[in-house]
Amino acid sequence: GAVVSQHPSRVICKSGTSVKIECRSLDFQATTMFWYRQFPKQSLMLMATSNEGSKATYEQGVEKDKFLINHASLTLSTLTVTSAHPEDSSFYICSAKPGTANSPLHFGNGTRLTVT
Amino acid sequence: KQEVTQIPAALSVPEGENLVLNCSFTDSAIYNLQWFRQDPGKGLTSLLLIQSSQREQTSGRLNASLDKSSGRSTLYIAASQPGDSATYLCAPDYGNQFYFGTGTSLTVIP
Repeated sequence: GAVVSQHPSRVICKSGTSVKIECRSLDFQATTMFWYRQFPKQSLMLMATSNEGSKATYEQGVEKDKFLINHASLTLSTLTVTSAHPEDSSFYICSAKPGTANSPLHFGNGTRLTVT
Repeated sequence: KQEVTQIPAALSVPEGENLVLNCSFTDSAIYNLQWFRQDPGKGLTSLLLIQSSQREQTSGRLNASLDKSSGRSTLYIAASQPGDSATYLCAPDYGNQFYFGTGTSLTVIP
C-alpha cells in the first residue's frame, strides 16, 4: 500500500529556533499534500494545503510566515516552524494524495514537537 | 464551515462484540468518505474509502456504509479484538478538502 514517511518523529528545540519537518510519499506521486496539527484528545486541524510547484493555501488563523511550507517535488513537502515558541508545541501530521480522482488520503506517522 | 460529528465519543466493549460507529456530516456534497484509525501518538491509518456513488465498502471485519443524502456513514466492526482499540475518525472529502470529526475512542477489553 501507499506509504508516507514523515521525519523526524520527535524533536525538541529551544524557543526562538526553527524546525523543519519533512513529508515524503515513497511509492506514489503526491500532487497534493496537507499539513495538520493535533492537540491532545482533539481532532486534526488543517493548517495548509500544498500543491506541487505552487504556493500553499493556508487555513484561516494560520500564520504563513511562521509555518513555511514548501512542496518542491511530487514526493516531498516540508513544514518549517520558524522562531518556535512553547505554544507551538504540538503533534504535526502530514498527508498526501495521489493525483487520480477519488484516491485515498495517506498519512505520515506524525512529528511530536516540543519547544522549551 | 463543514461539521463532522462522531458518536459515541468513547466506547468500551468486551472482546468478540460487534459494534457500530457513527459519523454525520452537515454538507452532503461529498466526493467520497474515508475512515481512519489512529493509535496513540501515531498518524492515521486508512481503513476504508467509500465513493459517493457507493452504499457500502467492506474490508475483512470492517464494513462501512454511506447514506450520502442524509449525511451519514457508519463503520461496523465485527467480532472485535483488543487490537482494534484505537481512535476511529471519519473524513468526508469535498474535493481535496477533508474535514475530520473528533473521533470515537474504542477500547476492546480482553
